[in-house]
Amino acid sequence: DAKTTQPPSMDCAEGRAANLPCNHSTISGNEYVYWYRQIHSQGPQYIIHGLKNNETNEMASLIITEDRKSSTLILPHATLRDTAVYYCIVRMNNAGNMLTFGGGTRLMVKP
Amino acid sequence: EAGVTQSPTHLIKTRGQQATLRCSPISGHTSVYWYQQALGLGLQFLLWYDEGEERNRGNFPPRFSGRQFPNYSSELNVNALELEDSALYLCASSLGLAAYNEQFFGPGTRLTVL
Repeated sequence: DAKTTQPPSMDCAEGRAANLPCNHSTISGNEYVYWYRQIHSQGPQYIIHGLKNNETNEMASLIITEDRKSSTLILPHATLRDTAVYYCIVRMNNAGNMLTFGGGTRLMVKP
Repeated sequence: EAGVTQSPTHLIKTRGQQATLRCSPISGHTSVYWYQQALGLGLQFLLWYDEGEERNRGNFPPRFSGRQFPNYSSELNVNALELEDSALYLCASSLGLAAYNEQFFGPGTRLTVL
């Protein structure tokens, strides 16, 4: 699986948009970009995934650059409950289906 | 719809003992994954089961083993426990073999080895 690089931590004001970047410059054509988050001591929660088109669901938006070498997860109106570690993962179709978690970004939403 | 459930929530064992952790996937999901999250470390993939078979294994010693039952629930067994096995053990399930199927995680079992 391609390696991902994320900033270790970010702050965001409550009610503002949180933009979490992820670099995956070695991504290959059949790899998907996934985002999960983990609130302290809970199991990771799936947020969104995409291949090459931008995606949006009730939780977030995923913007993937045209060359697919980076992406941004956008939480449009961050709340205190969005404070968590956010993991960006890229995943091959034939990689045994496991998720490979890196260090993630610790997002702190402040009042 | 019920999510992934795990039992027990907490488990305390001593060195050399065996631990058994259980996972029930979301109804309709055939794949079960096990991950270990040691304190201060990221999630490490342990095992993947689908349709009763072990499909893939992470870089863990053989004393970590498991199985999947006909109802798709799963057990993780850790033999000859060591202090460094203390961790949060997470189970996830998905619809099956397609790579784009997202995994849904349970709340985890916190194993403490004394």
